[in-house]
Amino acid sequence: AQSVTQLDSHVSVSEGTPVLLRCNYSSSYSPSLFWYVQHPNKGLQLLLKYTSAATLVKGINGFEAEFKKSETSFHLTKPSAHMSDAAEYFCVVSDLRTGTASKLTFGTGTRLQVTL
Amino acid sequence: GAVVSQHPSRVICKSGTSVKIECRSLDFQATTMFWYRQFPKQSLMLMATSNEGSKATYEQGVEKDKFLINHASLTLSTLTVTSAHPEDSSFYICSARSGVTPYEQYFGPGTRLTVT
Repeated sequence: AQSVTQLDSHVSVSEGTPVLLRCNYSSSYSPSLFWYVQHPNKGLQLLLKYTSAATLVKGINGFEAEFKKSETSFHLTKPSAHMSDAAEYFCVVSDLRTGTASKLTFGTGTRLQVTL
Repeated sequence: GAVVSQHPSRVICKSGTSVKIECRSLDFQATTMFWYRQFPKQSLMLMATSNEGSKATYEQGVEKDKFLINHASLTLSTLTVTSAHPEDSSFYICSARSGVTPYEQYFGPGTRLTVT
């Protein structure tokens, strides 16, 4: 079984300040972890993914996340928020076993608000 | 990159009618496609998994006779909502997964269904 918990349903930051969106996971297998962003009434865009390579993963738009097995965490960070970062962010876990149609399990989402 | 399209992007239908949503992988062959449902301000919930040429596997609680899924080719899956009711109004998102590594899922832009 696998699950993911996003610790904050809503995060508000000022433009130019750091962003931290928290995610903890649970998985019976070596997990693959993803962060997706969804702007209003739009589909999902992949920000970054961890698949058992480097634990510090760099993604698009200046985002990065660090896989910490001891803490079962995969928090998303960005040094400086931009107004265009305001959106819904989903942490996702999958046990991407080779050759199987492994399911993605989504967290409940964190709404990021960026203020002037 | 891999592109997945959905058609239509928005649809309004009357209660009791059926509506079909198409999901296409434009530049890769998708051996597996997934259908998700997203209620306002909520996360994505997996409805069903379909493999090309075989019957879809539905998640617990999803009515297979109401949500008909067909995956007739490696680039097309369809979701038909039969005898739609207002409670079926939602945002439906598909994803497509290739049959080769890294087995990543690529998401469509979603279809907003409103049943009046």
